[in-house]
Amino acid sequence: NAGVMQNPRHLVRRRGQEARLRCSPMKGHSHVYWYRQLPEEGLKFMVYLQKENIIDESGMPKERFSAEFPKEGPSILRIQQVVRGDSAAYFCASSPRGLSSYEQYFGPGTRLTVT
Amino acid sequence: RKEVEQDPGPFNVPEGATVAFNCTYSNSASQSFFWYRQDCRKEPKLLMSVYSSGNEDGRFTAQLNRASQYISLLIRDSKLSDSATYLCVVNSLGGTASKLTFGTGTRLQVTL
Repeated sequence: NAGVMQNPRHLVRRRGQEARLRCSPMKGHSHVYWYRQLPEEGLKFMVYLQKENIIDESGMPKERFSAEFPKEGPSILRIQQVVRGDSAAYFCASSPRGLSSYEQYFGPGTRLTVT
Repeated sequence: RKEVEQDPGPFNVPEGATVAFNCTYSNSASQSFFWYRQDCRKEPKLLMSVYSSGNEDGRFTAQLNRASQYISLLIRDSKLSDSATYLCVVNSLGGTASKLTFGTGTRLQVTL
């Protein structure tokens, strides 16, 4: 059973470009979460999605960031017009249910570097 | 005040030692509690869930004190491979909301 998959593992973008990060949840999991980890800091929640629905986006910056989880295909985290401060590790996690008691399993992350 | 607070360490202990990490959380409505482990530049991996009655998994014991809003992790007979950052994680919203709040982690270095 494959775990949570993320690609690319490393992404380099120049300021002003767009970054698209992809996440495929574990088989049987329909709940996806995105977290960001800045250098030397803890993980911060960004957004929680189910198929075709955004459930909680309270951690998403108001501008330039968007996320989707279409009926078919992976979840996408999109960052438009990237700035140096967007450089971070972006982790995706999945769980079989959205209830608070269910554990979340993390993918290997995408390390975004903005030059 | 941070929602989840941990001593950042590092804790440097010799192999075979017993080490304990503590964590406090601020939201009394928190429902679920976990310890995750994160190796350098890797993803967090679930170590164990934490229950009010306390739970043990091999050399690892986790305890929860809801009255004091306090969580602990005890590692006995430390191994070199236990060296990592240990993350205290709280799910602060019950019901169908499932957002995890992470502490910044406690770094453990086990030495020969």
